[in-house]
Amino acid sequence: DGGITQSPKYLFRKEGQNVTLSCEQNLNHDAMYWYRQDPGQGLRLIYYSQIVNDFQKGDIAEGYSVSREKKESFPLTVTSAQKNPTAFYLCASTLAWGTEAFFGQGTRLTVV
Amino acid sequence: DQQVKQNSPSLSVQEGRISILNCDYTNSMFDYFLWYKKYPAEGPTFLISISSIKDKNEDGRFTVFLNKSAKHLSLHIVPSQPGDSAVYFCAAEGLGGGSNYKLTFGKGTLLTVNP
Repeated sequence: DGGITQSPKYLFRKEGQNVTLSCEQNLNHDAMYWYRQDPGQGLRLIYYSQIVNDFQKGDIAEGYSVSREKKESFPLTVTSAQKNPTAFYLCASTLAWGTEAFFGQGTRLTVV
Repeated sequence: DQQVKQNSPSLSVQEGRISILNCDYTNSMFDYFLWYKKYPAEGPTFLISISSIKDKNEDGRFTVFLNKSAKHLSLHIVPSQPGDSAVYFCAAEGLGGGSNYKLTFGKGTLLTVNP
């Protein structure tokens, strides 16, 4: 079955540590996105990528980094520079413009 | 600067009645609009979409209306069912940097359908 997989579902890290969230899709989609959800904030775009080896900053990219070395994979690193990293992170992919985005199940990151 | 706005954080309706969720956008470059439904701790699931060349799209109980001149779209659910209770997100797709398209979401509206 095709789909988009985020791992792990829950992640705990100590303050000051970098952490990488995984996102893999086998839908052969070109575009991939990372969003963050906080209570009352909806889904805010962190980074997005339309093709391999290319990505753009979204609305809240500070303190995050990404890579797109393979079409199927778009990992997100939450660095120690991100001031409020505790949140629910969602990865999505789309085939092309004008098609629906498919979402992973999300990763809840808690920094203590 | 919020480009996709859902001004009602919550909406409560009776089972069997119509639910109307509203969404406004500010970026005239948006040309494709989507509605998603989301339960807590899960990823959003796609409901229905509309391109800017249309003003209405219908799929079963769900209808999306687009008013481009007002930069407004709405999702109608009729009849509403208790299982429709969830957070509904409006999303818009348009040019981001250069020739790249990006997908922007509103803050969501919590719909509660009472039996």
